[in-house]
Amino acid sequence: DAGVTQSPTHLIKTRGQQVTLRCSPISGHKSVSWYQQVLGQGPQFIFQYYEKEERGRGNFPDRFSARQFPNYSSELNVNALLLGDSALYLCASRPRDGYEQYFGPGTRLTVT
Amino acid sequence: RKEVEQDPGPFNVPEGATVAFNCTYSNSASQSFFWYRQDCRKEPKLLMSVYSSGNEDGRFTAQLNRASQYISLLIRDSKLSDSATYLCVVTNILTGGGNKLTFGTGTQLKVEL
Repeated sequence: DAGVTQSPTHLIKTRGQQVTLRCSPISGHKSVSWYQQVLGQGPQFIFQYYEKEERGRGNFPDRFSARQFPNYSSELNVNALLLGDSALYLCASRPRDGYEQYFGPGTRLTVT
Repeated sequence: RKEVEQDPGPFNVPEGATVAFNCTYSNSASQSFFWYRQDCRKEPKLLMSVYSSGNEDGRFTAQLNRASQYISLLIRDSKLSDSATYLCVVTNILTGGGNKLTFGTGTQLKVEL
């Protein structure tokens, strides 16, 4: 079975630009979460969506937004990019029964 | 104070050694507990869930002490392939009904010949 997929793999943007990252969950999983991981730190929670509704938001500015589509895939958008947004962005999906989450390979974003 | 605290290491151990990682968490309402493994520049991968009764998966044993808010991972007979960062993770229920994973900073393990 395919795992969580994310695109693109790598991305280089300039300060002030906008970026959209994409994620497809494991088949049958309806919950998608986004995390940001900067070098030397554990992943930090950004958003969780379930059945197209936002179920939680971490301590990130309003420049970060997300949505989930009817097929349960998801997009993360970041506006007005800052150098500090450079990180690995991870998407994870969760089965209906259980709290564990399974991660995709991530999108490595570099802001110059 | 961080929600989940781990010794960052690195732990450098010889092949065949037994190594123990510890972790503490601050939110007594945390629901579930996990250890994830992360290789360099890769995504975290679920290693095992952690229960108060303790659980074992081959060379790996995990234990939870809810009263002390303490989680442990024991790796026996270390292999070179065990070299990675081990992330202690707790889950907390969100006000919107979802759940989020809260990670420690990770403990780096290097197994050497």
